[in-house]
Amino acid sequence: QITLTQQAESLWISPGERVSITCRASQSLLYTDGKHYLSWYQQRPGQTTKALIYHASVRTDGVPTRFIGSGSGTEFTLSIEHVQPEDFAIYYCLQTLKSPYTFGAGTKLELK
Amino acid sequence: QIQLVQSGPELKKPGESVKISCKASGYTFTDYAMHWVKQAPGKGLKWMGWINTYTGKPTYADDFKGRFVFSLEASASTANLQISNLKNEDTATYFCARSSNWHFDYWGQGVMVTVSS
Repeated sequence: QITLTQQAESLWISPGERVSITCRASQSLLYTDGKHYLSWYQQRPGQTTKALIYHASVRTDGVPTRFIGSGSGTEFTLSIEHVQPEDFAIYYCLQTLKSPYTFGAGTKLELK
Repeated sequence: QIQLVQSGPELKKPGESVKISCKASGYTFTDYAMHWVKQAPGKGLKWMGWINTYTGKPTYADDFKGRFVFSLEASASTANLQISNLKNEDTATYFCARSSNWHFDYWGQGVMVTVSS
């Protein structure tokens, strides 16, 4: 199965700063259609899990433009510019290239 | 608007069974697959498998073959997850999630299942 590694368990940042969360895959997530099968999710206590990014860089409807997905092959990044108070949450990456689909272990954004 | 509303929390004893539901609204239920995801307390997300809502065919991840059953009540736009012979390690929150464009675009609020004697 494909392993996704989110190196940072926690990142401490202040509101207004920029942060990058990385996700490394054990094999390329590029398919023959030219798309990467990597998506990002936000999980906040008491809130429904929210999809942020799919195909590595496509923002889902309604997601603020400060959320930016980038990367290719095996290395992917979710960047958040000008972090807002509501962005303090846990972020997961997910690969849907091959079954079984697998998630990264999650990165928690914490207030510095 | 699109919503996935799951049933309420469950407290069960080891060896018992539980059935949790995920009711979809705001879209045509049979147009999108439904996935199930497990989150043990304080842990990350684990994909359990999915069900084709048009054909009813389930697909299970290896760790969820045997005691886990995905089913549908398509007329009620509802997907169900049944777990039999519950074990302590089944204590977790279970999410349903709709898939579109190869990602999970809408999630249920999760159902906490506690297994304790």
